[in-house]
Amino acid sequence: DSGVTQTPKHLITATGQRVTLRCSPRSGDLSVYWYQQSLDQGLQFLIQYYNGEERAKGNILERFSAQQFPDLHSELNLSSLELGDSALYFCASSLTTSGNTIYFGEGSWLTVV
Amino acid sequence: AQSVSQHNHHVILSEAASLELGCNYSYGGTVNLFWYVQYPGQHLQLLLKYFSGDPLVKGIKGFEAEFIKSKFSFNLRKPSVQWSDTAEYFCAVKRLDRGSTLGRLYFGRGTQLTVWP
Repeated sequence: DSGVTQTPKHLITATGQRVTLRCSPRSGDLSVYWYQQSLDQGLQFLIQYYNGEERAKGNILERFSAQQFPDLHSELNLSSLELGDSALYFCASSLTTSGNTIYFGEGSWLTVV
Repeated sequence: AQSVSQHNHHVILSEAASLELGCNYSYGGTVNLFWYVQYPGQHLQLLLKYFSGDPLVKGIKGFEAEFIKSKFSFNLRKPSVQWSDTAEYFCAVKRLDRGSTLGRLYFGRGTQLTVWP
């Protein structure tokens, strides 16, 4: 158990819909990361937050957005879903922005039908 | 653009065989290097990491990796694999750009290791 909690573990939804994935970082960690793992793209960095502020942005689509709340949990919002958004979405956390040791959650499986 | 290459998509070995998984990266600056393992249905776990110093680093479960700067490589090794090592292995690189203290990792595509008992 890494200490990073993600919900839901599995989600099936239709194209055009919107979903929210939730992440609670390890106790004491201030930085949260979101990654997408798909068969064709592999593990891709989406976005990083530190103590509520966005710190780095990767290959995140405009249809996707994220935020980190004052209690440090984070949400990834995916809207206007397409079949190609089907993937495993990982959340990770670290104590600092530099992320010398990053801990990953078990992921949220999203299937878009 | 930053890229991380893992040469083998799928490796199949018998128990007690030796393992070497290749990893190369394309960034010319200073990097931190990582190997993660993902057992079926589980989260990514850190096997080992290299920041500086001795280029031969030892990790958990008998794994080690060697950083060869001139070859931009960070290959993972284990002298004798076990059935329980069956998993997917990911190499990851963090760039240390001047003034950058961000934790973004660039991952390879992963190598699936299957160990037959």
